[in-house]
This record gives sequence, structure tokens and C-alpha cells, in this order.
Amino acid sequence: DAGVIQSPRHEVTEMGQEVTLRCKPISGHDYLFWYRQTMMRGLELLIYFNNNVPIDDSGMPEDRFSAKMPNASFSTLKIQPSEPRDSAVYFCASRTAEDRFAHNEQFFGPGTRLTVL
Amino acid sequence: GESVGLHLPTLSVQEGDNSIINCAYSNSASDYFIWYKQESGKGPQFIIDIRSNMDKRQGQRVTVLLNKTVKHLSLQIAATQPGDSAVYFCAEKVRGGNTPLVFGKGTRLSVIA
Repeated sequence: DAGVIQSPRHEVTEMGQEVTLRCKPISGHDYLFWYRQTMMRGLELLIYFNNNVPIDDSGMPEDRFSAKMPNASFSTLKIQPSEPRDSAVYFCASRTAEDRFAHNEQFFGPGTRLTVL
Repeated sequence: GESVGLHLPTLSVQEGDNSIINCAYSNSASDYFIWYKQESGKGPQFIIDIRSNMDKRQGQRVTVLLNKTVKHLSLQIAATQPGDSAVYFCAEKVRGGNTPLVFGKGTRLSVIA
């Protein structure tokens, strides 16, 4: 299994530009999570999906951020327009539904390092 | 702009010694816990998990201890190696439903060769 795949790995853009981050979860996983990691705030949960449906987007900072999951194998996180304070590493993670032993391991992707100039 | 970064607790350990990383969790209803390791430039990686009906679980060179009375979790690493240098996060979850993992702020482990 290739694990969670994210693209691009690095993105440098100018303020005001649209940024789209992509994620392919592990096949068969029911949950997909988007996180943001910064030195200031640590690891923050932005939004997560269950069976392609957004469950909780309360962590999304503002309306400039949006996320979609059109099918079980693909999700996007879009920032429009981007601002320098959006600079961070964005992680996607996925997991299965709880099994009867309640293992809930989330598998993280390698992250996308976003720099907004 | 940013003025103050997140000051992670740092633990410095001599190579070969045992390491103990502590975590206080917040939700008394949490009944599932995970330790993650994050190396520089990588995503967090699963180390070990424990359910609330246990107070100890062992893996390869790692042991997790859970004290529900004081809401405390610890990760013990035996014979710490340079490759163990990373940031370690504990995460908690309320079992069932759609509840996500809640991550702590992390502890940086620095192994001195």
C-alpha cells in the first residue's frame, strides 16, 4: 500500500493566488482528515469527512478555506485567496471506521509545505 | 507577523538511556489513546495505542502507561537511539461515533550521542 498520498509536496505562491492541495487516502478508509501544522498553533484539525461527507468543519479558519471529497479516493483543500499567514504544513490523514477492538489509527500523508509570499 | 513560536517541551536523553515522555489529557470521557512520532519533514507516524480498559501496553522498545485517575499518559522508550529523535504527540479519542482524535502539543526528544 502506498499510504496516504499528498500533492504537491511543496507549494510557493503569492498572496492572493488560489491554492489547491490534494489528497488520496488509503484505499478502503472511511475517514479523511485535513490538518494544518504551524509553530504557533501546533497540529490543528481543519475538517474531516466520513464516507465522503463533511462531518465537522469547525476548524476551518475562515471562508477562504474550502474542502471537498468528490469520491472515496480523492479530496482537495482549497485556499482562495491565499494570505501569508496561511503558510504552514498541511497534512491529510485517513483511517477506517472503528473495528471491534476500537483501533483508530490514523495514517498521515507526508504533508504539503505551503509558503505564501 | 508571527512573534512567538510554539515552545515545545524538550527532553534531552543520552543514547542508550531510557526516555519517558509524559502527556496530560483533558477529556475524562476519552477512552482511546495513541502516541505518534514525527520526524523532521515527515508526517506523524503511529507508535502505539492503548484503550482505557488497560493501564499498560508494550511494543518493541516502547511501553505506554495510562493512569485514568489523574488523566495521564506516558511513553517509555527503552535504550534510546539517535533515530528516536523526533517530536512525540499523544492523542486522545472518545470511542464511538464520529469523534476525531485530539492531539496534544507535542514533546521534542533529543538524543545525545
